[in-house]
Amino acid sequence: EVQLVESGGGLVQPGGSLRLSCAASGFSFSTYWMSWVRQAPGKGLEWVANIKRDGGEKYYVDSVKGRFTISRDNGKNSLYLQMNSLRAEDTAVYYCARYSGYDLAYWGQGTLVTVSS
Amino acid sequence: QSALTQPRSVSGSPGQSVAISCTGTSSDVGGYNYVSWYQQYPGKAPTLMIYDVSKRPSGVPDRFSGSKSGNTASLTISGLQAEDEADYYCCSYAGDPYVFGTGTKVTVL
Repeated sequence: EVQLVESGGGLVQPGGSLRLSCAASGFSFSTYWMSWVRQAPGKGLEWVANIKRDGGEKYYVDSVKGRFTISRDNGKNSLYLQMNSLRAEDTAVYYCARYSGYDLAYWGQGTLVTVSS
Repeated sequence: QSALTQPRSVSGSPGQSVAISCTGTSSDVGGYNYVSWYQQYPGKAPTLMIYDVSKRPSGVPDRFSGSKSGNTASLTISGLQAEDEADYYCCSYAGDPYVFGTGTKVTVL
């Protein structure tokens, strides 16, 4: 059974940093593209970033470029999102998701990030 | 990277059919056959309902179907059931990045 479990969310002040983690199990992690998707309170889904199987390619939504870094450790079956220079508008539930082709076939339950003073 | 446009809400009675549109551009919906649809219940993670415009993952009821014409994709729910009341989001590949739709709330009357 595919499982994705996010952790690392919490309350952080504007300008601060946070690192999210996603522990994957039940599939061969190193053979799939992975992604982070977020959802602000009461709002819609927003694709944030994705990363190739070997970490060699990474793509970001414009609003987080230069501030967020997606990475992975295939030896630990883990996906990460390093978030720096956080803003109030980054407040959201962050989901880790696994690709199957060009769609997000499996999702974690999400971790809440709140940026507030 | 503008969000795809979906109607804010649609509604129907049990047994009826409803359709949700998802309008983009030639750079996303119109340019690739990689449109997917997700169902989301309040407080829960999204679930994949349709991929590659019209394919259904195993376990998804066949009353859910997808199509595309030009820059607009559509999700149709035939034989609407109470458990179909949820939010629905389209998503399109756009040559990296990807882009989601604005979301549609489906209400079963």
